Parts: sequence; structure tokens; C-alpha cells
Amino acid sequence: QVQLVQSGAEVKKPGASVKLSCKTSGYSFTNYYLHWVRQAPGQGVEWMGLIDPRGGTTRDAQKFQGRISMSRDTSTRTVYMELFSLTDEDTAVYFCARAKLSMAFDYWGQGTLVSVSS
Amino acid sequence: DIQLTQSPSFLSASVGDRVTITCRASQVINSYLAWYQQKPGKAPRLLIYGASTLESGVPSRFSGSGSGTEFTLAISSLQPDDSATYFCQQLNTYPPTFGQGTKVEIK
Repeated sequence: QVQLVQSGAEVKKPGASVKLSCKTSGYSFTNYYLHWVRQAPGQGVEWMGLIDPRGGTTRDAQKFQGRISMSRDTSTRTVYMELFSLTDEDTAVYFCARAKLSMAFDYWGQGTLVSVSS
Repeated sequence: DIQLTQSPSFLSASVGDRVTITCRASQVINSYLAWYQQKPGKAPRLLIYGASTLESGVPSRFSGSGSGTEFTLAISSLQPDDSATYFCQQLNTYPPTFGQGTKVEIK
């Protein structure tokens, strides 16, 4: 069955960076985009970016340009998202989710809580 | 970015009631709209895509309709397990954006 398993919770200080992983299984890794979204406490869902596992092409939200890096490892079917220069406003649960082209996000990871605090 | 406005933000209804949630887009998004259900501490679950197509495994009491800028999610007969937050998402134009959510409470 399709599974997206994310790395564990992180606690970071302001100014630090965090790198999250999303390990996939149960489907053809290169046939689906992997998206990253986040949800701050009590807030809505915010799209951050996507990676096409086939060639590694990425696309990110203007808000995060210059502060986000996404990559993939096809040998382990894992995608990564690194966010730099963290502030307390980056405290959120981060999700990876798969989708085909402009289709909806049909499978999601379980989420990773990132807490940023001095 | 395309803004999605959901209404209401909260609703309370009884088991067996029909409930509807509206999602209005700031621009035409054709039928590139999805609906998700999210329970506390869990990842969102896809319910509807393409505005009206039921995702596999989703109970048939859920339905979606609309096109252009106005969309509706309906639950025909509310069940206790439907207590959750529901939100819409547009995928017509990058970046994908989400509505703020509607919390559904069972009376």
C-alpha cells in the first residue's frame, strides 16, 4: 500500500535550519510529484513547494524562495525539504503529500512538528 | 495568489442532518478543486477531487458540486465520525491554495 513516512519532530533555535525527510513506498516513485505544505498551530494549510522525483525539478512558493531547498534520493525513494533561517513563525506541522500534475493530494505523510524557540 | 473563502467557519449539527460547506474562489478555477477532511493530530484525508469526484473509499454521503468560483461540499446524513475540520484546495493555478477550514461539530 502507498505510504509516506516522515522524519521525527524537531526543536530548533531561531536562525537555524531544519531538514525533513519523507520516505515513500508502495507506488512508482517517479510518477508523482511530492509536495510540502505546513500548518501552523490553529491555522490553515500553506503550500511550500514541490519536487518532481523524475528529474529533481523543484518549484516553490514565492514566500519561501531563497529559504527552501528540496531534493530527492531515488535509491531510497525519499524526498527532503530543508528550510533555512528559521524564525518562531516557522513553528508548524510540516506534511509531505503526493499528487499527479495538477491533481489533488491523495496520500499524505503523518506530519512532522517543527518547533522554533529560543 | 487565488484566495479561497469558506463558509461557515464553524457549524454544529445533529446526526442525520444534511450539512453544506461553501468555498468561493477569488478567480475562476474551473473544476480544479478538492475537499479534505482533517481530524485533530492527523494528516488531511482527500474526500473529493475535480470538484465532484468522490475519492475511492470515501462514503457516498459526501458529495461535491460547483464550478468556476463557487463550490459546495455536502454531507447528506451527518455521522458521528464526520466530526472534523473540512477545507478546500484549488489546483488550477500555482501556488495551490487552501481555504481556512470549516469545523464541523456533532450536537
